[in-house]
Amino acid sequence: ILNVEQSPQSLHVQEGDSTNFTCSFPSSNFYALHWYRWETAKSPEALFVMTLNGDEKKKGRISATLNTKEGYSYLYIKGSQPEDSATYLCAFFGGGGNKLTFGTGTQLKVEL
Amino acid sequence: DGGITQSPKYLFRKEGQNVTLSCEQNLNHDAMYWYRQDPGQGLRLIYYSQIVNDFQKGDIAEGYSVSREKKESFPLTVTSAQKNPTAFYLCASSIARAPAYYGYTFGSGTRLTVV
Repeated sequence: ILNVEQSPQSLHVQEGDSTNFTCSFPSSNFYALHWYRWETAKSPEALFVMTLNGDEKKKGRISATLNTKEGYSYLYIKGSQPEDSATYLCAFFGGGGNKLTFGTGTQLKVEL
Repeated sequence: DGGITQSPKYLFRKEGQNVTLSCEQNLNHDAMYWYRQDPGQGLRLIYYSQIVNDFQKGDIAEGYSVSREKKESFPLTVTSAQKNPTAFYLCASSIARAPAYYGYTFGSGTRLTVV
């Protein structure tokens, strides 16, 4: 079973703060790294699919970077808003399996 | 709108009974997946199917069974052999020809409680 780790486990920030989370994954047999946002009572929603070392993706105030050689990805949120409150999941595709392996997620709470 | 429908949202069953969770998609996706979530753990893969009439075991397949008779449907049966069936179950689908490179689409989940 592949090991995908996310940190921190949870995070409380104030509205307007910028924040970032980390996802660590195996650096061998890499195909892709996915980020999902999972709001309470909703379905997980795909944010980014990253495939190349050095990839940077951006969607509004959210961006992500990828380092496949050292096996990590960062997700950044600039100027956090209450609607950003959710659990952010990363998932690794590779390691010889034809499927995604998920991390345990980072739970973000943005307070007014 | 295209999407994945899981039903029911909440399910209660007595210990020792088999129960089937429904997952239907109208996205024309070839691949479908079942994940389980427990408190403090990441989503763990139970079974997946990349084509009709074919499926593979995931990391925690023991005590579960699936079928894929139609492209749109991938039901999961939780059998009495599953020792800890109480959990949140998520169904997902993706484009099969390059699943790594396309984000998965998820249903809204079924919370199963065995009493």
